[in-house]
Amino acid sequence: QVQLQESGPGLVKPSQTLSLTCTVSGGSISIGTDYWSWIRQPAGKGPEWIGRIDFSGSTNYNPSLKSRVAISIDTSKNQFSLKVISVTAADTAVYYCARDSWGYCSSSICARYFYMDVWGKGTTVTVSS
Amino acid sequence: DIQMTQSPSSLSASVGDRVTITCRASQSISSYLNWYQQKPGKAPKLLIYGASSLQSGVPSRFSGSGSGTDFTLTISSLQPEDFATYYCQQSYSSFFGQGTRLEIK
Repeated sequence: QVQLQESGPGLVKPSQTLSLTCTVSGGSISIGTDYWSWIRQPAGKGPEWIGRIDFSGSTNYNPSLKSRVAISIDTSKNQFSLKVISVTAADTAVYYCARDSWGYCSSSICARYFYMDVWGKGTTVTVSS
Repeated sequence: DIQMTQSPSSLSASVGDRVTITCRASQSISSYLNWYQQKPGKAPKLLIYGASSLQSGVPSRFSGSGSGTDFTLTISSLQPEDFATYYCQQSYSSFFGQGTRLEIK
């Protein structure tokens, strides 16, 4: 079955760029039926969705983070990646990648709905000098 | 943005109890709601999607209901492994509620 694994530096200095990669195994990221998300969770708080990407590279971001984040995909490596620029201590969190299954909305309030059915184990990123 | 508010924020219960957790949306989201369970140090686990569809492999003691603005997650008979934090998530914006911590009484 599909498994996800996050990787990247555990410590990032303030004002620098946080870069993480999610490697997908047990399935192809380029099949085109799934979306792929990044989520983060500060200690003691609830999860915060960061954004998602599909196999073609089409992205959607949380409006509150959109100006500082970018998600990309490398189908040849079966990976997708996250970059967060100009980080501060508030970006300290456990970062998760996840697979989004989805469906078309049957009402006019949305186009697609998503549910995160496969998650990586998460990686802790600390922003500190 | 649509706000998701869970209640209670924490709950104490005993093995065998029936437990209900509520999630309220600040405006109608039809049935576009997911529920997740999270244990300490672990990633969230999908329990329910589409307000009431049970994810494959999830025990049938978990059920979800509701539509519009009010939703509930019910655990019919608590098991020791169910003590965890539960989050609702609006499924088209992907925003999460603040969580409900379920503790052993």
